[in-house]
Amino acid sequence: AQSVTQPDIHITVSEGASLELRCNYSYGATPYLFWYVQSPGQGLQLLLKYFSGDTLVQGIKGFEAEFKRSQSSFNLRKPSVHWSDAAEYFCAVGASFGNEKLTFGTGTRLTIIP
Amino acid sequence: NAGVTQTPKFRVLKTGQSMTLLCAQDMNHEYMYWYRQDPGMGLRLIHYSVGEGTTAKGEVPDGYNVSRLKKQNFLLGLESAAPSQTSVYFCASSYGQAGINQPQHFGDGTRLSIL
Repeated sequence: AQSVTQPDIHITVSEGASLELRCNYSYGATPYLFWYVQSPGQGLQLLLKYFSGDTLVQGIKGFEAEFKRSQSSFNLRKPSVHWSDAAEYFCAVGASFGNEKLTFGTGTRLTIIP
Repeated sequence: NAGVTQTPKFRVLKTGQSMTLLCAQDMNHEYMYWYRQDPGMGLRLIHYSVGEGTTAKGEVPDGYNVSRLKKQNFLLGLESAAPSQTSVYFCASSYGQAGINQPQHFGDGTRLSIL
């Protein structure tokens, strides 16, 4: 069974600073990886996904993530954060076969300070 | 442009009461899911369905039942509510298997409090 760990519960960054949110996964084969964002009082919205091919994937809102097989990681990055990026971010992993389910991390809450 | 709609958005119940949460999607998705979200625990899968008339247990199914009588609807039932079921419930749907290529689309959640 797959699992995912987000080691940072809460991160605070200044507006305009760069951002990196960490995600580590456990799965025996090549996983399917997702980052979702949840604004307060809202459901989850897909930011980006990795299935295969180029290990650097681009998403919406200027986010990108890099799949590193050797480190079992899929970290989310943004060069310059905006106040509207304040939200909770979830990494999720899906099996590449034989499993209909996604496994979510516990989330990282992002606070932006002016 | 409705996507996934959850009804109701808020509800307060007394211990022992029953209720049904409704999820409706207009994207013709085969797969539907019910999650609960609790502080510090992320999203945990309660039940899911891979098509009309089918249901399966997820990670935390105890105390809940589901039905998928129509492709577009997925109902989550609490037969006898307990305070431990106080949570935010999210419904999601996807075109195919969530673990294979197809991302999930989420509703805005139902905030449920059990007193």
